[in-house]
Order: sequence, then C-alpha cells, then structure tokens
Amino acid sequence: EAGVAQSPRYKIIEKRQSVAFWCNPISGHATLYWYQQILGQGPKLLIQFQNNGVVDDSQLPKDRFSAERLKGVDSTLKIQPAKLEDSAVYLCASSLGRAALNTEAFFGQGTRLTVV
Amino acid sequence: AQSVTQLDSHVSVSEGTPVLLRCNYSSSYSPSLFWYVQHPNKGLQLLLKYTSAATLVKGINGFEAEFKKSETSFHLTKPSAHMSDAAEYFCVVSDLQSGGFKTIFGAGTRLFVKA
Repeated sequence: EAGVAQSPRYKIIEKRQSVAFWCNPISGHATLYWYQQILGQGPKLLIQFQNNGVVDDSQLPKDRFSAERLKGVDSTLKIQPAKLEDSAVYLCASSLGRAALNTEAFFGQGTRLTVV
Repeated sequence: AQSVTQLDSHVSVSEGTPVLLRCNYSSSYSPSLFWYVQHPNKGLQLLLKYTSAATLVKGINGFEAEFKKSETSFHLTKPSAHMSDAAEYFCVVSDLQSGGFKTIFGAGTRLFVKA
C-alpha cells in the first residue's frame, strides 16, 4: 500500500515570499491533516479536512496560511507571506473514514521549510 | 483542558537494558492515548494505542505501555533496547472537546541507545 506522499521534501525561501506544499493521502482515506513541527517540539495541528470540508482550523494562522482539498483527495498548504518563525517541518497525515477518537493517522515524511 | 507532558526530553540507555519513556496527560473525558515513533528522515509511525480496552497495551517492536488512570500516566517501556530503537518518541492524547475530537502531541523524547 502506498503511503502518504508529500512534496517537496525541502524548501528554502526568503521571508515575505510565498510557498506551497502538496500532499497526496492514502487512497480511500477521508480525513487529511496538516501539522507544523517546529524543531524540538511535537507536531501541532494546523488544519483537518473530512473529505473536502474543513473540520478544524482553529490553530491555522489564517492571515498568512491557507489550505484546500479539492475533490476530497489531494491537498495543498500555502504560506503567503512567509515569516522566519514559519521555519519547520510540515507534516501531512491521513486516516481512514471519519475522524474519530481512536483512529490511527498515517504520516508522510514531511516538507522541511527554511525561511531566511 | 487537554494536555500531554513528556517528562524527559532525552533518555539514554545501553543496548540490552530496559527503556522507560514517561508521559502524563490531562483530559476532561476518557481519552485515547497513542505513542508514535519518528526515525530521522522518516514519517511518524504508530507504536501502540490505548482506547479504553485493556490497560496494558502491546505495540510493535516489543514496546508496551500501561494506562494508569489514577496517575494520569501512559509510560512507554521495552525490556531490552536495540540500537534501531534510537529515535524520537511522541505521546499523543485524543479526546472529545467542544467542537469535536482534539489531538495533542507531547514535545517528544529523544531516545539514545549506546552500544
């Protein structure tokens, strides 16, 4: 079974530039998550989709971050404009069916963003 | 309020000795608890999960964890460490909050295994 695919693996941009990350979840997984993992910290949920609808985006900095999941499959996460503190690994994960209490999430390898 | 605390940022053990990674949580309801492992340049992988069944949970690679409600703990253990166990470990709590299910990761514990 193919896992969660993310691209690019690494990205370096200057502050105030824009950047986009792409995620392809496991086939058939209805729930998709984007996490931000700052060095030395645990992952923090940015946004959660159920099919193509947003379930939770309470921790997404909406003034600069946006995400979409067209057709309920692939997803893109965009940052515009980027700040130095956005340097982190951005993890995409997916889970089967409706998000529930004990549902296991499968993670991609992440995109490491460095803002200089 | 929901929170998870991993009591050690780094743990170092010798190969063949026991591993103990500590995790405490707080939750308003009956939570589900998970341990994930993150090897360098690899995605997070589920080790084990507790979902209100047996309090002693067995996971992959010889790891297990015990849910102790009275102590609000979910410590991860392994009888004998292997070099391949060196990685970052995350304790995760998930429960029902206003607005739906919420999942929080701990800050992580980095496990070093010495030959």
